[in-house]
Amino acid sequence: GDSVTQMEGPVTLSEEAFLTINCTYTATGYPSLFWYVQYPGEGLQLLLKATKADDKGSNKGFEATYRKETTSFHLEKGSVQVSDSAVYFCALGGTSGSRLTFGEGTQLTVNP
Amino acid sequence: GAVVSQHPSWVICKSGTSVKIECRSLDFQATTMFWYRQFPKQSLMLMATSNEGSKATYEQGVEKDKFLINHASLTLSTLTVTSAHPEDSSFYICSARGPGLAGGPHEQFFGPGTRLTVL
Repeated sequence: GDSVTQMEGPVTLSEEAFLTINCTYTATGYPSLFWYVQYPGEGLQLLLKATKADDKGSNKGFEATYRKETTSFHLEKGSVQVSDSAVYFCALGGTSGSRLTFGEGTQLTVNP
Repeated sequence: GAVVSQHPSWVICKSGTSVKIECRSLDFQATTMFWYRQFPKQSLMLMATSNEGSKATYEQGVEKDKFLINHASLTLSTLTVTSAHPEDSSFYICSARGPGLAGGPHEQFFGPGTRLTVL
């Protein structure tokens, strides 16, 4: 079945540091890929998405590129801010049905 | 647009009682709603998928008689945790999707979650 593996956290960075959170997936066909962000005590918000190979999703300075050859969708940001502190989830939308499969989540803390 | 609310945001109950959690789509018709459970520092576990007007489809291992889901209208789904026990304490999150919304078939809009504590 479909699965998503995320880089284990927690990740702690200083403000303006470069961020990478790794995400790899296993799926049949051509899934859609997502990054969601969850701020403390809140539900999930869609951060970015990509629906086909080589697509790059971007939002709020975050980027991720759908790499089919490496089955990866790594999240990057060039310069993180304190306000980026949250839990980040990589997710996969498979080719059958509308369900999402989530990775384990990565806690990011950015210190001033 | 595409706002989903949950009520209550936080509930404490005694063991053996039942708790109802509401999930509402505020500005769109939610033909499909999803219920997730999230343990501390863990990922979301899909519990069930409900389509308006029909019975929910439960994931393997989820007790349908314990977690009753009703999706009687296009804007409201409820999750009732029956005879709650301390092990049911968790963060419950709903999401919804519907026709006419931007995004592909997988795009879901999430509620803020409900934290349930069973004493």
